[in-house]
This record gives sequence, structure tokens and C-alpha cells, in this order.
Amino acid sequence: NAGVTQTPKFRILKIGQSMTLQCTQDMNHNYMYWYRQDPGMGLKLIYYSVGAGITDKGEVPNGYNVSRSTTEDFPLRLELAAPSQTSVYFCASSATGTPGGNEQFFGPGTRLTVL
Amino acid sequence: AQTVTQSQPEMSVQEAETVTLSCTYDTSESDYYLFWYKQPPSRQMILVIRQEAYKQQNATENRFSVNFQKAAKSFSLKISDSQLGDAAMYFCAYRSKKSNTGKLIFGQGTTLQVKP
Repeated sequence: NAGVTQTPKFRILKIGQSMTLQCTQDMNHNYMYWYRQDPGMGLKLIYYSVGAGITDKGEVPNGYNVSRSTTEDFPLRLELAAPSQTSVYFCASSATGTPGGNEQFFGPGTRLTVL
Repeated sequence: AQTVTQSQPEMSVQEAETVTLSCTYDTSESDYYLFWYKQPPSRQMILVIRQEAYKQQNATENRFSVNFQKAAKSFSLKISDSQLGDAAMYFCAYRSKKSNTGKLIFGQGTTLQVKP
């Protein structure tokens, strides 16, 4: 199993450009998440999804959009990139939210720089 | 809202020695999960250990153990017999049982250096 895969690994954007970060999981997990990690900081939740067709905002959703048309895919869209969106982006998935304390499996991250 | 605080930005330990990383959290809930994640230079987030709040027994995974003090809202990670491969950033994380979303709330992280 590949687990959670993210593409691209690195990307440099100019201010005002748009892009989509791809995330795919092959574990048939219902729950998927997007986090961002700023330098020297913990991860903050951007958006999450509890199943295909259902998404909701996390702590820091401004400037981002998501969709969840399939169980496997959870792309994150950046519109009008800004320097404040320079960060490392992690996608994660888990079997269920609760109960069970199910582990979240993380992708390898995408390092995005906006200049 | 729940918060997680890691007050030690950096720690260092001699190889084969023991080190303890601190984590405190704030919540009004009585049942929840707590996690420690390891992030090596590769950036991959790896689950180290988890604790359920209603379980009084401290979780243990090989050289990793926790000291869970529910009343004090403290959740420290002890690494015994430290190895060079333990060098990484460590994150403490909280997850509500009440909220059916599985969202994790992370602390700021502690960078652990292991000296040979």
C-alpha cells in the first residue's frame, strides 16, 4: 500500500498564481485532513472531510478551497497565492473520527514557497 | 477551545541517556486522546505513542513511555536509551472524543538533539 501520497513535493509560486495540491489515499479511509506547518511551528488544520461530498473548515481556511468527490482524493486549492501561504502542507487520513482514537496517517508533505 | 502547549522549543540528550519532553493541554472535556508524533528531517509524521484519557495506566511503546497526569493536564514523553535516530521534532497532539471529526490539535513542537 502506498498510504497517503501528495504531489508535488516542492513548488514555487508567484504572488497571485493559483495551484492545486493533490492528495490521494489508498486505505479506504473516510476521514481526510489538510494541515499547514509554518517554520518551527506545529500543524494547523485548514480543512477536513468526513466522507465523499462532505467538507468543513478547520482553524485556518482563508485563501483555500477543497473538494471531496471520491473517497480516495482530497485536493487543496490555493487561489491568488500570497507570501503568507508559504508553508509545508500535509494531507492526512484516518479510518474514523471517533471512537477508537484511530491513527491519522500523514503524507510526506508539500513545501510551497510564494514569492 | 482546546489548546496544546509545548514549552521546550529545544532539548538535547546524550546517546543512551533518558530525556523527557513536556506537554500541557487545556480542555473542558473529560474523555479524549493524546498523541506524540515524531517528525524527522524527512518531514514524515510518525505516530510514537497514544493515550486515552479514561485509561489511568500510562502508555508504553518500547523505549517510549508517557507520564499522563489528567488532573494537571500534563502529558510528558520519556525516551529511554536515546538513540541517534531519535533526533527529530516531537509534537504533542490532542483529539476530542466528543467531536466526531478526528481533528488533531498540535503543540508547537520540541526539537530533540541526540549527541553521540
